[in-house]
Amino acid sequence: EAGVAQSPRYKIIEKRQSVAFWCNPISGHATLYWYQQILGQGPKLLIQFQNNGVVDDSQLPKDRFSAERLKGVDSTLKIQPAKLEDSAVYLCASSYIRGNYGYTFGSGTRLTVV
Amino acid sequence: AQSVTQLGSHVSVSEGALVLLRCNYSSSVPPYLFWYVQYPNQGLQLLLKYTTGATLVKGINGFEAEFKKSETSFHLTKPSAHMSDAAEYFCAVSPYSGGSNYKLTFGKGTLLTVNP
Repeated sequence: EAGVAQSPRYKIIEKRQSVAFWCNPISGHATLYWYQQILGQGPKLLIQFQNNGVVDDSQLPKDRFSAERLKGVDSTLKIQPAKLEDSAVYLCASSYIRGNYGYTFGSGTRLTVV
Repeated sequence: AQSVTQLGSHVSVSEGALVLLRCNYSSSVPPYLFWYVQYPNQGLQLLLKYTTGATLVKGINGFEAEFKKSETSFHLTKPSAHMSDAAEYFCAVSPYSGGSNYKLTFGKGTLLTVNP
């Protein structure tokens, strides 16, 4: 099966600019996650979707981050305006809705804010 | 609430030596436990998982881990290290909720280097 697709792979922007990341999950995976991985740390959950509804966004900085999942398939994560501390790898993952068999992660988008 | 502690941010072994990466967890409910591996500039790949049943879990690439409830541990081992094992390893926990929210909480990771 095809994996989780993410784009772009790399992005460099100046602080206060906006940026968007795209994710296409594995076909049939109803649950989609966005994680933020800062250098030297483990991934931290930003938001979890089940189909096109939000299950958990408790750690999403809602003043600058937003995410949507159109039609329960693709998802976009946006940052506006970006701060230096947003420099990180943004990982998208997907899983089946029932049963915890582990996620499948995409390769991530490495964001550098200068 | 859940948390994961990985003891040792960096472990160095010689090729052919035993690999032991330590993970302790805290969970208010029965946990699911995972080990992921991350190679440079790549996403995370699932190595193995414990859900229920046998506490000794075998994964890919010769790795295995044992769930010890009394010690709240899930240490990862491999009898003989290979150069290709050099990567960062993450332990993760999620609740055995029976529902559909399987949020993963990760440790900070352990960087494994393998010396020739």
